[in-house]
Amino acid sequence: EVQLQQSGAELVRPGTSVKLSCKVSGDTITAYYMHFVKQRPGQGLEWIGRIDPEDDSTKYAEKFKNKATLTADTSSNTAYLKLSSLTSEDTATYFCTTEDWFAYWGQGTLVTVSS
Amino acid sequence: DIMMTQSPLSVAVTPGESASISCRSSKSLLHSNGITYLSWYLQRPEKSPQLLIYQISNLASGVSDRFSGSGSGTDFTLKISKVETEDVGIYYCVQFLEVPNTFGAGTKLELK
Repeated sequence: EVQLQQSGAELVRPGTSVKLSCKVSGDTITAYYMHFVKQRPGQGLEWIGRIDPEDDSTKYAEKFKNKATLTADTSSNTAYLKLSSLTSEDTATYFCTTEDWFAYWGQGTLVTVSS
Repeated sequence: DIMMTQSPLSVAVTPGESASISCRSSKSLLHSNGITYLSWYLQRPEKSPQLLIYQISNLASGVSDRFSGSGSGTDFTLKISKVETEDVGIYYCVQFLEVPNTFGAGTKLELK
């Protein structure tokens, strides 16, 4: 069975960047697109974007085009989400999810932006 | 972007009774290939979302058959029969027809 293991919680300063990881086990990362989803505290789910690890092509929701960068490393079966120019609005849990219909999800990474 | 509108935003159910959640999309989710790109998820408290149903009515692996989905085009319904304690959480519908994939705002299910 596919499992997604995400990196640990981050406390970061405003204006800086952070890079989150999502490691795939049980299958090759190139089998499916990898998506990332944002969930602010007490709020709903918001699609950030997706990467095709086969060719590194990406698609982003418009509001995340200057905020998020998705990459993938096939040698380590890991996808990454980099968030830049962090503000308090970026304080959230970030999930990776993959396979058709978002069948598999990581446990989420909490990012707290605070000075 | 396709808007997904869920109702109600919250529902309180007596254990053993049924609950229904509605989801409406701003555009038909029926693709020319015959597939309707609509799925349902449950996010239990402090957990990751879990796929319940895909393509309107197909039960995901390992999901209880107390869950069922119906609908077509732009109007969809998730029904939960004989509600149990483990069903508590927030339910989301999602469309996969177009990028960006968009979620409904969620429906919170609580027990009476």
